[in-house]
Amino acid sequence: NAGVTQTPKFQVLKTGQSMTLQCAQDMNHNSMYWYRQDPGMGLRLIYYSASEGTTDKGEVPNGYNVSRLNKREFSLRLESAAPSQTSVYFCASQTGNSYEQYFGPGTRLTVT
Amino acid sequence: DQQVKQNSPSLSVQEGRISILNCDYTNSMFDYFLWYKKYPAEGPTFLISISSIKDKNEDGRFTVFLNKSAKHLSLHIVPSQPGDSAVYFCAASEIQGAQKLVFGQGTRLTINP
Repeated sequence: NAGVTQTPKFQVLKTGQSMTLQCAQDMNHNSMYWYRQDPGMGLRLIYYSASEGTTDKGEVPNGYNVSRLNKREFSLRLESAAPSQTSVYFCASQTGNSYEQYFGPGTRLTVT
Repeated sequence: DQQVKQNSPSLSVQEGRISILNCDYTNSMFDYFLWYKKYPAEGPTFLISISSIKDKNEDGRFTVFLNKSAKHLSLHIVPSQPGDSAVYFCAASEIQGAQKLVFGQGTRLTINP
């Protein structure tokens, strides 16, 4: 039981490049979330998926897209990376019966 | 507009003493509150939570207090241990809707031997 896994762990992009961050959970959770963590800002919600087949914007969705591929997988795509997207990205999942979210180990992204 | 605020970026406490971490919120629709602990290079892990119908919840060395009238909650760790050194995030959620969490900025707790 791996919980929530994220790939890659680290990534360096040049401005304008694109990439997809992958997230998978093996806990059969309905809801999945993408956050970014910046110094002094806490964790801010980018997008979430309350159930398979649905996605919604969070607090800071601009510059990102998501895909809920199936119940297990929720990916985050940067179409044209910008230095302001340099951050640590966390994926989380949640069963519908609890407020507790389980987090992956994070992806540290640097955009130069 | 920061709906959940942790006004102390850092806190230093001697081993064995009590650590008190504070959190304030502005949204009166929040009715469930959680504390997460985060070590460097790891994801946050759930620590303890409290529903708005309670004013205290205890789990071992960790106790969370909620003062709804003041829109304030606090996490008490007694006694503090070196392994408690981490960043602590307060989070809040509304019962209605998608159960999204709103996080505070975090407080870095350092336990000194």
